Amino acid sequence: SQQGEEDPQALSIQEGENATMNCSYKTSINNLQWYRQNSGRGLVHLILIRSNEREKHSGRLRVTLDTSKKSSSLLITASRAADTASYFCATSGNTPLVFGKGTRLSVIA
Amino acid sequence: DGGITQSPKYLFRKEGQNVTLSCEQNLNHDAMYWYRQDPGQGLRLIYYSQIVNDFQKGDIAEGYSVSREKKESFPLTVTSAQKNPTAFYLCASSGTGGDYGYTFGSGTRLTVV
Repeated sequence: SQQGEEDPQALSIQEGENATMNCSYKTSINNLQWYRQNSGRGLVHLILIRSNEREKHSGRLRVTLDTSKKSSSLLITASRAADTASYFCATSGNTPLVFGKGTRLSVIA
Repeated sequence: DGGITQSPKYLFRKEGQNVTLSCEQNLNHDAMYWYRQDPGQGLRLIYYSQIVNDFQKGDIAEGYSVSREKKESFPLTVTSAQKNPTAFYLCASSGTGGDYGYTFGSGTRLTVV
């Protein structure tokens, strides 16, 4: 069962712009995580936000969580061509992580 | 360097064959997981194990089997009962009892020929 749903499915921006991806989920969670996947590679953990947190930062990444709306957003500031990848949200409850289908981000130099 | 290693990177299976995908970690993680990724489908959980000699079925376990005889190893066998095995298989590991991110291997791409 896939709980997280990312929006948009694909996003294309110019280098230097900000990229925002959204994730909605259906049931209560312990935490929500964001991962990055370059084409044909494994996933890399980016950031984890707990259910009692509202915002978290890591470098150029900013994640927000609204448990009342069951939604999260990932903001990548000052994007670079190297940020081109697929980004997945994953929710953690009483089972292993449940992943969404991802957002494909293309950053054009 | 600590990490998680999947092998082989590419695997070809003939109809009716069983094949085994290897996953080894040296992170001292208790939990290990197998996910399947199809184009545009995201990741779906096949099996997971939270402790040696124990494992649970995920959402799409039919046609797959696993073992967890050692903490470091969690091999996945794709049996002939799996009718559509062509996919990208990802192994991951994590700590347990708290909020942990997963560490993923680089994946095995399985193709039926």
